[in-house]
Amino acid sequence: QQQVRQSPQSLTVWEGETAILNCSYEDSTFDYFPWYRLFPGESPALLIAIRPVSNKKEDGRFTIFFNKREKKLSLHITDSQPGDSATYFCAASEDTGANTGKLTFGHGTILRVHP
Amino acid sequence: GALVYQYPRRTICKSGTSMRMECQAVGFQATSVAWYRQSPQKTFELIALSTVNSAIKYEQNFTQEKFPISHPNLSFSSMTVLNAYLEDRGLYLCGARDPGRNTLYFGAGTRLSVL
Repeated sequence: QQQVRQSPQSLTVWEGETAILNCSYEDSTFDYFPWYRLFPGESPALLIAIRPVSNKKEDGRFTIFFNKREKKLSLHITDSQPGDSATYFCAASEDTGANTGKLTFGHGTILRVHP
Repeated sequence: GALVYQYPRRTICKSGTSMRMECQAVGFQATSVAWYRQSPQKTFELIALSTVNSAIKYEQNFTQEKFPISHPNLSFSSMTVLNAYLEDRGLYLCGARDPGRNTLYFGAGTRLSVL
């Protein structure tokens, strides 16, 4: 059973639009949710993360909205730029996992931003 | 800044042979190292979690006999894929945790092809 699900599988937006990437999870013990961005040939890089004590986390153009009751979260990228084109992975772990490195990843959403 | 070097970036091995990949943390002390694999059409799966001064913990479907790991100090870890076959193809990532920043940094990955 897939513990972390992402949708859509791929997403295309125009430059300047807001891209919305969705994520849901199964395990109620998950309490740390990082998003990683992966450019081809590079390392997955931590973009932004949230813990359930908050329902929103903002960092520049990137915002996570979190709904603990529904076990859903979404990453919003406002004013999308062509340079944002990449694969975005939603991940989850128990807090001890965040401290040790044990993450459960979704399958990723491929984002393309057209100029 | 914190960096994780992983090498080799790509490797090709003959079916039934073994290959070793290495992971070096630079700029921080990696108290734990997690090894992941992304098989074709799949997401990142945790192979094992290695914490200094603790036993290495392997996930279901992965064993020490197949993926022996060495984590001798706070900056270096290596993993070997023994008797590699087609199903072992994929991108192997090491993630090293920086406890000071409570962040998991990934290497660029080792892409394994098996002939």
